[in-house]
Amino acid sequence: DIQMTQSPSSLSASVGDRVTITCRASQGISNYLAWFQQKPGKAPKSLIYAASSLQSGVPSKFSGSGSGTDFTLTISSLQPEDFATYYCQQYNNYPITFGQGTRLEIK
Amino acid sequence: EVQLLESGGGLVQPGGSLRLSCAASGFTFSTYAMTWVRQPPGKGPEWVSTISGSGGSTYYADSVKGRFTISRDNSRNTLFLQMNSLRAEDTAVYYCAKGRDSSGFYSRACDSWGQGTLVTVSS
Repeated sequence: DIQMTQSPSSLSASVGDRVTITCRASQGISNYLAWFQQKPGKAPKSLIYAASSLQSGVPSKFSGSGSGTDFTLTISSLQPEDFATYYCQQYNNYPITFGQGTRLEIK
Repeated sequence: EVQLLESGGGLVQPGGSLRLSCAASGFTFSTYAMTWVRQPPGKGPEWVSTISGSGGSTYYADSVKGRFTISRDNSRNTLFLQMNSLRAEDTAVYYCAKGRDSSGFYSRACDSWGQGTLVTVSS
């Protein structure tokens, strides 16, 4: 199975900040990587697929990059509604696997 | 607008069975793969199973293989997950999610999720 490791596990930031979350795959996955946002008690929400393609309706403040084993999610100009948990997911191989999550908190 | 509505969750004893359903609307159901993902309380999401748009291909996590069966009825726009021999570790919110294609790599990437249904396995 492909292991997905996110860093950091938690992150404190202020409104208006720009933050970057990293996701590393245990083997190459080309660009078959997605990012999700999840708020407490809610379903995950798709943000990015194919490593850098923005899901329809998602604001351009969210951006993704990377290929192979190393990927990043960047969120610019943080707003209160952006504070949530973020997960990466690889879909290059079955079983599909998720990172352990990054909890983004307000400083 | 894509809508996915799960149902069928509840409390079940270890060794018991449940059948989850996911009613889909707002898209041509038969042309997209569908996936079940679960999330144990306080933990991250875990992929459970995927079925191709035609229903001809199915994939399972090792943790549920042989116990769970994914299926779909394209005439009723409904996805199912039959869960047998349930264990305490199957306790989770179960989400259905829509893939981005019928088959292939992008079928495994999910763009829309239901609100989830809670399955609790306990005596």
